[in-house]
Amino acid sequence: DIQMTQSPSSLSASVGDRVTITCQASQDINNYLNWYQQKPGKAPKLLIYDASNLETGVPSRFSGSGSGTDFTFTISSLQPEDIATYFCQQYDNVPSYTFGQGTKLEIK
Amino acid sequence: EVQLVETGGGLIQPGGSLRLSCAASGFTVSSNYMGWVRQAPGKGLEWVSVIYSGGSTYYSDSVKGRFTISRDNSKNTLYLQMNSLRVEDTAVYYCARIWGSYLGSFDYWGQGTLVTVSS
Repeated sequence: DIQMTQSPSSLSASVGDRVTITCQASQDINNYLNWYQQKPGKAPKLLIYDASNLETGVPSRFSGSGSGTDFTFTISSLQPEDIATYFCQQYDNVPSYTFGQGTKLEIK
Repeated sequence: EVQLVETGGGLIQPGGSLRLSCAASGFTVSSNYMGWVRQAPGKGLEWVSVIYSGGSTYYSDSVKGRFTISRDNSKNTLYLQMNSLRVEDTAVYYCARIWGSYLGSFDYWGQGTLVTVSS
């Protein structure tokens, strides 16, 4: 099974800060990686697919990069509405899907 | 507008059974890959099951042999039959549409339904 390791598990940042979250796969997953945002009590929302493609309607301050085993998710300028938990998810070995453990983002 | 609405959650004793439903609107369930993802209280996301448009079904090791995914094309509804429930199955269960060139992205999600397995 492919394991996904996200870091950090929690993060505190100020409005306007650049925020970076990393996700490491236990084996090469090409660019088969998504990023989701989940706000408390809500369903996850797809933000980034295929490692670097922005889902329609998602603000351009969100971005993703990486390939192989190492991936990065970035918020270029943190906004108050970005407070959420973020998850990575691999789909290299469909029909099995694996999520990272999540990164809880808080405002400092 | 695409919408997914899950129902059927509740409190059930260990060893019991429950069937979750996910009513879809705005697209055709049978023409898409559909899946179930769960989230235990305060925990991360765990993929549970998927059904392909052609009808093939797949399960995570943690539910294989106990859960069954299916769909009713006439009702445009996805189901998850859960048998032999365990305490560790306690979670919010989400249905989601699977999308993308590699059919790896969960692009639309329901609001979730809570299943609590407890004596």
